[in-house]
Formats: sequence, C-alpha cells, structure tokens
Amino acid sequence: DAGITQSPRYKITETGRQVTLMCHQTWSHSYMFWYRQDLGHGLRLIYYSAAADITDKGEVSDGYVVSRSKTENFPLTLESATRSQTSVYFCASIHNPGTDTQYFGPGTRLTVL
Amino acid sequence: KQEVTQIPAALSVPEGENLVLNCSFTDSAIYNLQWFRQDPGKGLTSLLLIQSSQREQTSGRLNASLDKSSGRSTLYIAASQPGDSATYLCAVTGGGNKLTFGTGTQLKVEL
Repeated sequence: DAGITQSPRYKITETGRQVTLMCHQTWSHSYMFWYRQDLGHGLRLIYYSAAADITDKGEVSDGYVVSRSKTENFPLTLESATRSQTSVYFCASIHNPGTDTQYFGPGTRLTVL
Repeated sequence: KQEVTQIPAALSVPEGENLVLNCSFTDSAIYNLQWFRQDPGKGLTSLLLIQSSQREQTSGRLNASLDKSSGRSTLYIAASQPGDSATYLCAVTGGGNKLTFGTGTQLKVEL
C-alpha cells in the first residue's frame, strides 16, 4: 500500500537494550523526519534527512542514531535505551518542505522498563 | 529558537458552536504554517497549509488565517460537530526546513 508505515507499532524493552524503529515511505519523498511526542512537550524533532546518505540532528538527538541508505527507509536506533526515551515516536516525510505538507506515519509507542 | 504556543490548551463546546483556536510563534521568518489534527492513539493529519505569502486558507468548515508580521494564526471551525473532537496542532516551517510544533489544543464537542 502507498503511504508511510512504521514498525513495530508497540514495543516494550528494558533499559540498556538497543532498539530499532523502522520507517518506510512509498512516495520517494526526499525529506524524512523522526519526532517524539511527550505529554507537555508536544512533538520534538529527533533527526531529519534531506536525501539518502544525508542526515542531521534535531532538537533532541542525544542517545539516538539514524541511517538512510535508501530513499524510502529511515530507521531510528536507540543505542542503549533509557526510561526517559519512553515515548511515542512518529516518522514523517515530505517532498518539498517549503511548499508541501508533511505526511506522518501512525506512530510507535515505545516503553522502556 | 522558534517557539510555538497554542491557546487554549483544552476547549469544550456544545455541538453547532463556531470556535477559534489560536497559535502564536516567536520568529516570523517562516516558509509556511500548518494546522494538523490528531485523534487519540493516531498519527497527525494535515488540515490546512498556509504559505508565508498567503493570508488564509479554507477547507470546508475550516478556515485558517496567518498574520506573519505579528506571529499569529487562527483556526476557525464553523458549526462544530462531535466528530471534530481531537487535538489540533499548529506547526511552522522555518530555517533548515524543519517543523516546530505547538503543544496543541484538545477540543471536545459535546452533543
């Protein structure tokens, strides 16, 4: 199906484990983004990518790593999960940020015990 | 650093009422402003996008205005319905082509 998908939708892990959240879009959008949403903070940008092999840090990037070897995929890895990384994570994509709207995935709810 | 504020944080209105949601931003150097809707446990759905050169956009019962110089936007919802109950988020695209979000207004439309 066309669109933007995230997997898994729900994940429970333990402190110190490595976790990878997947994001896939079928539009060949150039730009992709990762956000986290927490009560009281709204959505905050973790990382973004302007094209394959081009990534940059956002507002809250500490403890996260991304890669983008293919245009359609943008995985987010928590290298050593901490309880403060318990959150809902959203992936988004867009063709032209200056003129277009961002399309969001359904989110991944991550709980770190 | 861009900051986006939404007032009120929560709003409850009876069905049929017209209502206004407010959004303000601190840095007027934006490319565009967007309004999103988020239902509980779901992702964000774009409602309206206003380019920095535009003053307003309309879609059905929704009308969004933008006053870039004063750093303000409003989302007007006409004849509200229970199905409009959701959280409404305002976001601006600024330097680096990045979105900065407000914390949202949680709307409940009661029968």
